[in-house]
Amino acid sequence: EAAVTQSPRNKVTVTGGNVTLSCRQTNSHNYMYWYRQDTGHGLRLIHYSYGAGNLQIGDVPDGYKATRTTQEDFFLLLELASPSQTSLYFCASSDAQNTEVFFGKGTRLTVV
Amino acid sequence: GEQVEQLPSILRVQEGSSASINCTYENSASNYFPWYKQEPGENPKLIIDIRSNMERKQTQGLIVLLDKKAKRFSLHITDTQPGDSAMYFCAASPQGGRALIFGTGTTVSVSP
Repeated sequence: EAAVTQSPRNKVTVTGGNVTLSCRQTNSHNYMYWYRQDTGHGLRLIHYSYGAGNLQIGDVPDGYKATRTTQEDFFLLLELASPSQTSLYFCASSDAQNTEVFFGKGTRLTVV
Repeated sequence: GEQVEQLPSILRVQEGSSASINCTYENSASNYFPWYKQEPGENPKLIIDIRSNMERKQTQGLIVLLDKKAKRFSLHITDTQPGDSAMYFCAASPQGGRALIFGTGTTVSVSP
């Protein structure tokens, strides 16, 4: 089964803080995604990428940057964290568009 | 941006009965419709999907129906068991080959 590993699994930071969420997939998938999950909103796409060095803007990108450094690694950056960014963040990957998406275990971020 | 509407948000059923979740999408060019199950504390996992060249698909107690004219698709869980209690997400492929758009989720609770 496809392996998507996120770190850290839990993070608490202060308002205005700088946070980096990491994701690594070991299945040579082309596509990687960052979603946030919030009650009442489901899974919302923040950013995604279809290869190293590529970045595509998702549906809720404000306040987030992302970088795909290699085929395996995709990072989500919050440079000035706000309480509204308190959420459960999922990284995911897929081999191509319109194919099965494999999710990591999630990172729970709390901004106080 | 494009949205996928998912209803109901909460569904309580008796063990052995069936459960139905409905989703509608906006883009008539959408051609891929997966369903994901998320158990408490876990990541979402694909349980069944359907493509636009089909109207019905069935696997292991799950039935998916697609009505392209109405831009509507649905998941039917037959003979529900306690293990079916989870959050379910529908998704649709949006316009322009962008990443999947997910619905807001349905919490299914199966009681004995």
